[in-house]
Amino acid sequence: GQNIDQPTEMTATEGAIVQINCTYQTSGFNGLFWYQQHAGETPTFLSYNVLDGLEEKGRFSSFLSRSKGYSYLLLKELQMKDSASYLCAVKGGYQKVTFGTGTKLQVIP
Amino acid sequence: DTAVSQTPKYLVTQMGNDKSIKCEQNLGHDTMYWYKQDSKKFLKIMFSYNNKELIINETVPNRFSPKSPDKAHLNLHINSLELGDSAVYFCASSQDRQGLGNTIYFGEGSWLTVV
Repeated sequence: GQNIDQPTEMTATEGAIVQINCTYQTSGFNGLFWYQQHAGETPTFLSYNVLDGLEEKGRFSSFLSRSKGYSYLLLKELQMKDSASYLCAVKGGYQKVTFGTGTKLQVIP
Repeated sequence: DTAVSQTPKYLVTQMGNDKSIKCEQNLGHDTMYWYKQDSKKFLKIMFSYNNKELIINETVPNRFSPKSPDKAHLNLHINSLELGDSAVYFCASSQDRQGLGNTIYFGEGSWLTVV
């Protein structure tokens, strides 16, 4: 089976940096995704990691350590519009993508 | 053009009714999914189809029956609706290729309320 853990809620200040952690235990591993979901909207793709290391994409970066079953999403220069839920998802065998419960990030002025 | 489209977007219905949600993707993807997002915002996979074949069937009541007439469509039929079925149902698709990013694209969601 697959088990994914991430903090339920986080609060950070506009302009700051925030790191959202995700740990996972899975049978079979074919990559890890991060998605952003604003309240009442569709989850949108942020990043995909399948190899160890850091992937940078603008203000957002995602890190993966397969040996530790660990990933984080790093958001820099936080903006108010970054207030959303951030979903960690792991792809196991048979194209099965399992989502964590999501981390609700609140950005405050 | 919307990549993954699902209808209806909003559905309010009484307990015991039967309803369907339709989904279509125009991305040429081979794999389609149904996810359920409950009031706690947990996005849980229900079904996955690859080229019209069922490959994932989580422990979903058999009142839920997916149907894939072709690889661009995956519909969800729900019989004898219960209050606990109230949720947002997301259709999604992906193109699965070994070693490459397999981004899942979500539809806009269908908000089902059972009263």
